[in-house]
Amino acid sequence: QQQVKQSPQSLIVQKGGIPIINCAYENTAFDYFPWYQQFPGKGPALLIAIRPDVSEKKEGRFTISFNKSAKQFSLHIMDSQPGDSATYFCAAYYQGGKLIFGQGTELSVKP
Amino acid sequence: KAGVTQTPRYLIKTRGQQVTLSCSPISGHRSVSWYQQTPGQGLQFLFEYFSETQRNKGNFPGRFSGRQFSNSRSEMNVSTLELGDSALYLCASSMGSGPYNEQFFGPGTRLTVL
Repeated sequence: QQQVKQSPQSLIVQKGGIPIINCAYENTAFDYFPWYQQFPGKGPALLIAIRPDVSEKKEGRFTISFNKSAKQFSLHIMDSQPGDSATYFCAAYYQGGKLIFGQGTELSVKP
Repeated sequence: KAGVTQTPRYLIKTRGQQVTLSCSPISGHRSVSWYQQTPGQGLQFLFEYFSETQRNKGNFPGRFSGRQFSNSRSEMNVSTLELGDSALYLCASSMGSGPYNEQFFGPGTRLTVL
């Protein structure tokens, strides 16, 4: 199954809150898991990425948690700010070069 | 360093026509990938080129084709356009091919098929 299922579709949090976006996959051939951030009118930009042999990776306010046995991974945004309002995509690399994206989560951080 | 550039930014075509989109990667990048983004299907991988060779291909009909030139610039062609081809077409470049090479996306070409 070449799919990555992402939830929720949209998310509203207050400034300072910790939005959590979840993704799940079935194909064990996926070998690298990046997260992208997209602002309106722009292309996606890489936020953070994780290999399947690592359970957690943190970069600044962004943290990925990875559960290989459950085939699930999630993005946490600490101390969220209105500037974090964007659409977030999880993704997985397949067959070395194909990037399969989740459906996206539209995040709104209220001041 | 200049980012990925895509031309044109907006395009309106009618059903049955053909269209060519262009992508100039970041200087030094040898891999170019193309994606289609629609509200219904999300972001879908079209194909990847590395050193003028197609390395990977997504699940799109043969009407979608591409090529890469010796300077790494890439073009994507869609023939016999259908209404469902209306989408944002994104190009991404990376230094090498494969998962550990960060992909940098351009702003996209918005194609509308009437």
